[in-house]
Amino acid sequence: AQSVTQLGSHVSVSEGALVLLRCNYSSSVPPYLFWYVQYPNQGLQLLLKYTTGATLVKGINGFEAEFKKSETSFHLTKPSAHMSDAAEYFCAVLKYNQGGKLIFGQGTELSVKP
Amino acid sequence: NAGVTQTPKFRVLKTGQSMTLLCAQDMNHEYMYWYRQDPGMGLRLIHYSVGEGTTAKGEVPDGYNVSRLKKQNFLLGLESAAPSQTSVYFCASSYVLAGAPRDHNEQFFGPGTRLTVL
Repeated sequence: AQSVTQLGSHVSVSEGALVLLRCNYSSSVPPYLFWYVQYPNQGLQLLLKYTTGATLVKGINGFEAEFKKSETSFHLTKPSAHMSDAAEYFCAVLKYNQGGKLIFGQGTELSVKP
Repeated sequence: NAGVTQTPKFRVLKTGQSMTLLCAQDMNHEYMYWYRQDPGMGLRLIHYSVGEGTTAKGEVPDGYNVSRLKKQNFLLGLESAAPSQTSVYFCASSYVLAGAPRDHNEQFFGPGTRLTVL
């Protein structure tokens, strides 16, 4: 069975500090992995995705994530946090051969302090 | 392109009332999904559709029905609303890049419908 675990339901950083949001997955097949962002009172927007190829994936707004098969991780990072990064972030894995269904983690709320 | 749109944006129901949430997409996507989002639980799949005229149950289908009469629309119905159905509902759509089962691109989400059942 495939699953996603996001470590930490709430992360707080200072403006300009490193952002690290953790995501671990379990999958018996090579995973397709996604990070989505949800700003207050909005829908989800794709930040980045990993399917095959390069394990370091760059996304929008300066975010990137690295797929580490040995650690079954897909952590999201950004070198310098901005106030506008405050949002909820969801990691997701594509369910294999099941109509494009995604399994989402519980989400991590990122707060950015001035 | 409007992308994925949802109507209404907000709704308050009394227990036992019925309603239909409408999702529309103008991207010619084959696949459409309905999720509910509750605090601390992420998004949970209610029902989904892999094409016009087809629907399937997701993770939490009880109390909901869906229909996909047209490719661009996916309707979510609550026949007899309960307070446990108070939630934010999101619709999403996606497409298959090629014939292989894993060639799915990302899902595109609507802005959500905030439903309160009293």
